[in-house]
Amino acid sequence: KAGVTQTPRYLIKTRGQQVTLSCSPISGHRSVSWYQQTPGQGLQFLFEYFSETQRNKGNFPGRFSGRQFSNSRSEMNVSTLELGDSALYLCASSLGPTGGDSPLHFGNGTRLTVT
Amino acid sequence: DQQVKQNSPSLSVQEGRISILNCDYTNSMFDYFLWYKKYPAEGPTFLISISSIKDKNEDGRFTVFLNKSAKHLSLHIVPSQPGDSAVYFCAASDSGTYKYIFGTGTRLKVLA
Repeated sequence: KAGVTQTPRYLIKTRGQQVTLSCSPISGHRSVSWYQQTPGQGLQFLFEYFSETQRNKGNFPGRFSGRQFSNSRSEMNVSTLELGDSALYLCASSLGPTGGDSPLHFGNGTRLTVT
Repeated sequence: DQQVKQNSPSLSVQEGRISILNCDYTNSMFDYFLWYKKYPAEGPTFLISISSIKDKNEDGRFTVFLNKSAKHLSLHIVPSQPGDSAVYFCAASDSGTYKYIFGTGTRLKVLA
């Protein structure tokens, strides 16, 4: 069974631009979560989707948005990029609702660099 | 407010010995805890989990202990192997919030 697939793996953007990251969950997984990893900050929760509905959102500005499609694939968009947005963005899927006895399975991430 | 804390940024252990990674949390509503291992340029890999109704869970060389009164969990790796060298994250969840809160990670180095 294929794992979580994130595209692209690497991205370089300029301040002020916008970016869209893509995530394909494990087949059969309906929940998709997004996390931002920066040095020293661990993994910071961005949002979680289940059956195309956002059920929770982390403490990030409105420039960060996402959506989930009917096939469970998800996209994350960051508008008006800032230097501080440079990070590894990780997508994870789970079989059941996130939390409880339903661990997250992560992709290898998209490394975003903002110059 | 860091609800999940890993106070040791790094740990070095000799091959064959026990590695003990620690994690503290502040939210008494957390009812599920997980450990992940992360190698460079890869996403975190799920290792082991424990529910708040248990105080111990084992899977091969990995054992997780939960002390609810102290709001503390630990991951024991016995025996440690060089391939265990990675960053380890603990995570906690309050069922119904649909998210996990992660610690900042501990870098484990197992010396051959």
